[in-house]
Amino acid sequence: GESVGLHLPTLSVQEGDNSIINCAYSNSASDYFIWYKQESGKGPQFIIDIRSNMDKRQGQRVTVLLNKTVKHLSLQIAATQPGDSAVYFCAENIGNTGKLIFGQGTTLQVKP
Amino acid sequence: ETGVTQTPRHLVMGMTNKKSLKCEQHLGHNAMYWYKQSAKKPLELMFVYNFKEQTENNSVPSRFSPECPNSSHLFLHLHTLQPEDSALYLCASSQDSLEVNQPQHFGDGTRLSIL
Repeated sequence: GESVGLHLPTLSVQEGDNSIINCAYSNSASDYFIWYKQESGKGPQFIIDIRSNMDKRQGQRVTVLLNKTVKHLSLQIAATQPGDSAVYFCAENIGNTGKLIFGQGTTLQVKP
Repeated sequence: ETGVTQTPRHLVMGMTNKKSLKCEQHLGHNAMYWYKQSAKKPLELMFVYNFKEQTENNSVPSRFSPECPNSSHLFLHLHTLQPEDSALYLCASSQDSLEVNQPQHFGDGTRLSIL
């Protein structure tokens, strides 16, 4: 069935370290993936996206990796800062629709 | 500033009240969406509008009634809600709901509490 899941509900890292947040998806036909960041009291904020014809995409301090063989998506944050503390969601855009299916979210806690 | 504005930010209402949530987007998009976000659950898609036409109703109870007068404005009319309807209601927009490979942009939501 269609599902998008994250491996860990909470991830705690030291300030300055790199963070890796993981997401597994079940639909091999998925062709577009998005990472969102949601801070307390705010809506989800677009971070980075990747199409299924790519396996890596880089942004400012963030990298998304896509492994279609094992249906796995990850978000890497370099030099994690206190402002990175938030809930991170992966989302999957399936087939010929603009519909998004969201994972449950991983809470990233950054320790000073 | 996300380009998607939702009002009010907080709403407390009784089960017999009628209220409306408002969403406005300044991104020039043609698709708008309502989502429900409950604690410990993934975002749930409720309604999709594309070029002012409703294209999806995800089995939402009739006590929720959406309205899209134009591509920039979206409303969610609420009537006779239940306590389990308490949640964060998020509005989003995108260029076209039938086009793939494009992100949706979200507002900051309305926190709804039903007494």
